[in-house]
Amino acid sequence: AQSVSQHNHHVILSEAASLELGCNYSYGGTVNLFWYVQYPGQHLQLLLKYFSGDPLVKGIKGFEAEFIKSKFSFNLRKPSVQWSDTAEYFCACRYNQGGKLIFGQGTELSVKP
Amino acid sequence: EPEVTQTPSHQVTQMGQEVILRCVPISNHLYFYWYRQILGQKVEFLVSFYNNEISEKSEIFDDQFSVERPDGSNFTLKIRSTKLEDSAMYFCASSESNQPQHFGDGTRLSIL
Repeated sequence: AQSVSQHNHHVILSEAASLELGCNYSYGGTVNLFWYVQYPGQHLQLLLKYFSGDPLVKGIKGFEAEFIKSKFSFNLRKPSVQWSDTAEYFCACRYNQGGKLIFGQGTELSVKP
Repeated sequence: EPEVTQTPSHQVTQMGQEVILRCVPISNHLYFYWYRQILGQKVEFLVSFYNNEISEKSEIFDDQFSVERPDGSNFTLKIRSTKLEDSAMYFCASSESNQPQHFGDGTRLSIL
């Protein structure tokens, strides 16, 4: 079955630390990949997406992610986190146009000031 | 920036009652979705809707569930006879063709 797994359930960092959140997807076909963020009390917002082309994609708020096809991975990174990055982060994939998103279980990020 | 809006934000219902969750997708979007997230679990796909019909549904979306687009703006999810295990956060989303999905704030459904 198609699935997405996120390696970290809860990550706690101090401000200015670097962040990497792992994400792997299970199926080897053509895939669209996404990272969404959910700030406390708010809706899911798109951070970045990968459809094709350059495997290193840049998103909003200084986030980036790298698609590594051979590893079925799409890890999220940020060189220096801020307290305002405290949120839950969801990796998701989609296998066809207009198709459903398959989500990972989410990673809660807590950034200490 | 246009938003997906959902009402109500919180719905409390007795078990066995019908509930309707409402969503107003972004106006030029063509694909509509419902997801749910049970507390502590993954966001799960329920159903997708395109061209006035269901395009895909999950195993969760059984005969107790239905969706409707009654007019040009609303997209509703109905649960006919709610069960305790239907308690969850329900998210509506919409998208243009091959673009990312935009999500609403969700409706927290509590079944007593």
